[in-house]
Amino acid sequence: KQEVTQIPAALSVPEGENLVLNCSFTDSAIYNLQWFRQDPGKGLTSLLLIQSSQREQTSGRLNASLDKSSGRSTLYIAASQPGDSATYLCAVTSGTYKYIFGTGTRLKVLA
Amino acid sequence: GAVVSQHPSRVICKSGTSVKIECRSLDFQATTMFWYRQFPKQSLMLMATSNEGSKATYEQGVEKDKFLINHASLTLSTLTVTSAHPEDSSFYICSARGSVADTQYFGPGTRLTVL
Repeated sequence: KQEVTQIPAALSVPEGENLVLNCSFTDSAIYNLQWFRQDPGKGLTSLLLIQSSQREQTSGRLNASLDKSSGRSTLYIAASQPGDSATYLCAVTSGTYKYIFGTGTRLKVLA
Repeated sequence: GAVVSQHPSRVICKSGTSVKIECRSLDFQATTMFWYRQFPKQSLMLMATSNEGSKATYEQGVEKDKFLINHASLTLSTLTVTSAHPEDSSFYICSARGSVADTQYFGPGTRLTVL
């Protein structure tokens, strides 16, 4: 059974710092991995999607890497801003397209 | 990008009543829709998978007679919480997958509060 874990569970950093969020999964037979952002009481905003054949994706200040064989992905946020404060979720899918979500990292960027 | 809507966005009901939540794909045909549930400060947990025109497939531990799912068209799936109880209070999110997309599009969620 696929399990997805995110470390750290919570993170508080001053504005401007570069930071790394970690995601690990137990079954490497994934179809893709996706990073989402969730603001309190809101739905999901897709940030980056990495196909199983890819090693990384970049969008603006965000960079996500995928090491499928070791079951790990990282989300790198450069020059963090208070507006980045949110919960970040990673999720993996298999051939059934069902998403298995991680436990989330609650990020707070202090002004 | 593709848009998925949910209605209502928020609902409060009395214990014992039934509540219907709609999930619509607005600009594409969704062959498969998924329903997730999120309890406070927890992650999303998949409840069921619904394919247009067929019965939903429920995840282990999810009562199919309590959470009725109907996917009658390629743009609409509904989740009905029957005889709702306070422990059913949660954030319900749907996602929709088209026939060719490699990704899914998530709805904005529905906050259900059962008094």
